Amino acid sequence: QQQVKQSPQSLIVQKGGIPIINCAYENTAFDYFPWYQQFPGKGPALLIAIRPDVSEKKEGRFTISFNKSAKQFSLHIMDSQPGDSATYFCAASMRGYGNKLVFGAGTILRVKS
Amino acid sequence: KAGVTQTPRYLIKTRGQQVTLSCSPISGHRSVSWYQQTPGQGLQFLFEYFSETQRNKGNFPGRFSGRQFSNSRSEMNVSTLELGDSALYLCASTREGDYGYTFGSGTRLTVV
Repeated sequence: QQQVKQSPQSLIVQKGGIPIINCAYENTAFDYFPWYQQFPGKGPALLIAIRPDVSEKKEGRFTISFNKSAKQFSLHIMDSQPGDSATYFCAASMRGYGNKLVFGAGTILRVKS
Repeated sequence: KAGVTQTPRYLIKTRGQQVTLSCSPISGHRSVSWYQQTPGQGLQFLFEYFSETQRNKGNFPGRFSGRQFSNSRSEMNVSTLELGDSALYLCASTREGDYGYTFGSGTRLTVV
């Protein structure tokens, strides 16, 4: 019940395309869903996050779509650029759980120029 | 503003030895968490500290321990190292009540 399942494992898109990464969870007590971006040799960096009372959130070229009934959320990257090539992780946490983040397995994104 | 600082960046140890990793959080951040990242298991939560107290612990053996000091700096210790402990160890910090963690660049531990 503590798992977050992420797909696909890897993704290749052309520059300007819209890669979509999906995550699913089981525990309905989760109340915070962040996405992290990680470049080689660096730690994960927070991209964007959403709470379950909102169905969509946009920050620049990044959009989270959230479907509470299906227990799924996804990341869309608009007008993707080669510089977006990185590993993306979804995660979930719950109030009162000591700020523990449960991460998905990660998606390796490559944007071809 | 300085980010989360982890030292050392790289470490090579021999099986059976112990190791201590250090983390300095962002100024004002009192919550510090540690994660282990491996290709096989991904990112896994080790433990979280707030005000020098461990608030939560992941499913790791007792060989993994940590502590936090009054200035919020944190250390984690792994005793009796095993080959499987080779990983990137990440520290993250946040303000109390804020869910947005900032991660350091990690310490790459190799056990030979």
